[in-house]
Amino acid sequence: DTGVSQDPRHKITKRGQNVTFRCDPISEHNRLYWYRQTLGQGPEFLTYFQNEAQLEKSRLLSDRFSAERPKGSFSTLEIQRTEQGDSAMYLCASSFPPSGAQETQYFGPGTRLLVL
Amino acid sequence: RKEVEQDPGPFNVPEGATVAFNCTYSNSASQSFFWYRQDCRKEPKLLMSVYSSGNEDGRFTAQLNRASQYISLLIRDSKLSDSATYLCVGGGYQKVTFGTGTKLQVIP
Repeated sequence: DTGVSQDPRHKITKRGQNVTFRCDPISEHNRLYWYRQTLGQGPEFLTYFQNEAQLEKSRLLSDRFSAERPKGSFSTLEIQRTEQGDSAMYLCASSFPPSGAQETQYFGPGTRLLVL
Repeated sequence: RKEVEQDPGPFNVPEGATVAFNCTYSNSASQSFFWYRQDCRKEPKLLMSVYSSGNEDGRFTAQLNRASQYISLLIRDSKLSDSATYLCVGGGYQKVTFGTGTKLQVIP
């Protein structure tokens, strides 16, 4: 399967614990996005990378959240001191932007986080 | 005002019906528009890009109206398998904004 993959698919943790999620984009894609989605809402942008550079972060991304893409391939999203409000689906998407045309993002299956 | 707004529905339509969704966007500088489909507890999947001239893919037609800042999706001859949430997406070439989605339920 050459699509976007995410690991783990599900995570249950206790409030105050740290969690880390991994995303492996489609291999030739140089852009990678993280989103958060809660029930009844669309995906909300968190951050994105072009190669290894983190180019933009949403105000939703508090200082408890950190994302990395050290070699421009896979990315990790870490949440420190989790809170119940962090419970959501965390989606990763990747893209290879064509010049002068619309860029299509392809999503991974998501990591569903439940903070107890 | 939200950047991208759409009616959450649900739209309950019989099989074979034609259904249309509209979505408005607030940023007149937006250049990229898409419709994604999302099944329950699954990831969003691209349904179609939306071009200024309008585009069609089988039973699906997407239109962009820049003057009124809305995009539309028309589904003809609805199938049971079309039941899903349809996400409207708009934005720049890099960062886009998703709407909250419109839920469609096609009834036998």
